[in-house]
Amino acid sequence: SQQGEEDPQALSIQEGENATMNCSYKTSINNLQWYRQNSGRGLVHLILIRSNEREKHSGRLRVTLDTSKKSSSLLITASRAADTASYFCATDARGGSYIPTFGRGTSLIVHP
Amino acid sequence: DSGVTQTPKHLITATGQRVTLRCSPRSGDLSVYWYQQSLDQGLQFLIQYYNGEERAKGNILERFSAQQFPDLHSELNLSSLELGDSALYFCASSASAGGPYEQYFGPGTRLTVT
Repeated sequence: SQQGEEDPQALSIQEGENATMNCSYKTSINNLQWYRQNSGRGLVHLILIRSNEREKHSGRLRVTLDTSKKSSSLLITASRAADTASYFCATDARGGSYIPTFGRGTSLIVHP
Repeated sequence: DSGVTQTPKHLITATGQRVTLRCSPRSGDLSVYWYQQSLDQGLQFLIQYYNGEERAKGNILERFSAQQFPDLHSELNLSSLELGDSALYFCASSASAGGPYEQYFGPGTRLTVT
């Protein structure tokens, strides 16, 4: 069963616009990660945020974590056509084995 | 390129058959994870091995088994295949067993059961 759920399921934007994806989860976590998957390919790790962190940046990516609301968001600024992919959040439950549990993903299409 | 290799890329087989999927982790990584990705179930964790030993088990069916060899490559064996086993199977590796460590995913094996 999925721990995290991404929202929206699908997002279609124009190049240059910002894209925001959200992830909600049910139980307390140690860490939350975001991954990207190009169609039919393996997942690529984007960013990891620990439960005691509130915000992290990596290039055009900004991730926030609100543990009180059990939610996270991934913001991609100035999107490019090459950002077209599915984006997954993965959480590992507190007290667990650090195995990330993946959501179903947000499918992002960036139109040139 | 993540450094994780998986073979074969595609596999088409009939119901009732048995197949073996192979994974070589990134150089230096001791931990290997297997995932199944299907449209209806999403990405499901199957099993983890660390330095040859089973470390964690997820939603792995009894018909499926895995092992990690001394050279750290891993194999996932799927037997008595059913149509519902058709999916993408991913292997991932990480530096250690504890966390949090980012996982490096292979390109996947697409299994089609007819």
